[in-house]
Amino acid sequence: DTGVSQNPRHKITKRGQNVTFRCDPISEHNRLYWYRQTLGQGPEFLTYFQNEAQLEKSRLLSDRFSAERPKGSFSTLEIQRTEQGDSAMYLCASSKGTGPNTEAFFGQGTRLTVV
Amino acid sequence: DQQVKQNSPSLSVQEGRISILNCDYTNSMFDYFLWYKKYPAEGPTFLISISSIKDKNEDGRFTVFLNKSAKHLSLHIVPSQPGDSAVYFCAAIPGGGADGLTFGKGTHLIIQP
Repeated sequence: DTGVSQNPRHKITKRGQNVTFRCDPISEHNRLYWYRQTLGQGPEFLTYFQNEAQLEKSRLLSDRFSAERPKGSFSTLEIQRTEQGDSAMYLCASSKGTGPNTEAFFGQGTRLTVV
Repeated sequence: DQQVKQNSPSLSVQEGRISILNCDYTNSMFDYFLWYKKYPAEGPTFLISISSIKDKNEDGRFTVFLNKSAKHLSLHIVPSQPGDSAVYFCAAIPGGGADGLTFGKGTHLIIQP
């Protein structure tokens, strides 16, 4: 296992279209996080899963954003009816353990451009 | 409202000298602090962390200092090497419960030969 994998690496979409991104975490990691990073900012936490349970989703930016991790392995992040303001880098991270203080490993991200 | 602040967008240091990156936080519930390093077109990679029960943690060339009363932490890199040129993010997480990391905006460290 070479680390957290995200697909696609780049996505260009027209405003109003739906997009879905995939994240494959490190295999034994039970926690999976989604972040968004815009230019000049640090990553912004969106949501996270412990196994298949989504334990925090109040930080998702709007009801157009949703995430799933159906079998506790890979996860998808969907954005419906995309807007230009959704253009950003979407980062996935995973970690092992149940305590709060565990090192998270990040993927390379999916860069979304909404035109 | 920025709960984690990195007030220096960039820092230039000569190779071999010490690099000091600073970070301030406002949320007293933060209990654990991490530094991540990011190269262009890559995701952040973990560098070093510190728990609020400590005031110093060292790992090779990297040392993190925490001043809880001042809500301030710093990352020292000594000696600085060209490969250290990257964006460094300070991040924090509350204790007692699971949550995502709160990141600062980052500091772009440039090591000059």
